[in-house]
Amino acid sequence: KNQVEQSPQSLIILEGKNCTLQCNYTVSPFSNLRWYKQDTGRGPVSLTIMTFSENTKSNGRYTATLDADTKQSSLHITASQLSDSASYICVVFHTGGFKTIFGAGTRLFVKA
Amino acid sequence: EAGVVQSPRYKIIEKKQPVAFWCNPISGHNTLYWYRQNLGQGPELLIRYENEEAVDDSQLPKDRFSAERLKGVDSTLKIQPAELGDSAVYLCASSSQGDGELFFGEGSRLTVL
Repeated sequence: KNQVEQSPQSLIILEGKNCTLQCNYTVSPFSNLRWYKQDTGRGPVSLTIMTFSENTKSNGRYTATLDADTKQSSLHITASQLSDSASYICVVFHTGGFKTIFGAGTRLFVKA
Repeated sequence: EAGVVQSPRYKIIEKKQPVAFWCNPISGHNTLYWYRQNLGQGPELLIRYENEEAVDDSQLPKDRFSAERLKGVDSTLKIQPAELGDSAVYLCASSSQGDGELFFGEGSRLTVL
């Protein structure tokens, strides 16, 4: 079954600290993997997109990695800010079924 | 460039009442999606349009949900009659191609009492 699993479900960190969010997927075949940020009460906004041949992609303080062999991705946030408090959703495009498959998200809370 | 526009942002209705949501995608985006998102979950696809054709509506509860995209631009999602379990955020998204980046609207939060 094509699934996207994210961990942890939620995370609390202090402002200025780094954190890493995990995404494991069983989607096959896939063409790209994306990370979205969703602020409370808003729609998701794209942070990074990686094709199956890419290993890393950065967007400011956000760095995503992809290991297509182990079917794992991570999103690393450096020097967290209060505005990083949001849900982070891992999304994999299933080429076979032409479907976008979403993880349940990791809820990040950054405290002052 | 204007983003995906949805309305209304919030809707509170009693069960068995009808409700409709409207979406205007980014200009030039041929692919339009309706998703439902429950609290603490990722979005779940309800229907995907390529221009005016519904190419994937396998997850749309057709007994009470309907959608249309008559001219291949804006779209309407309707629920009639609404049930308590329909309380959720309904997200509209568009993309310029089927496997391209999704651009989401702000969502329509539905509460069914």
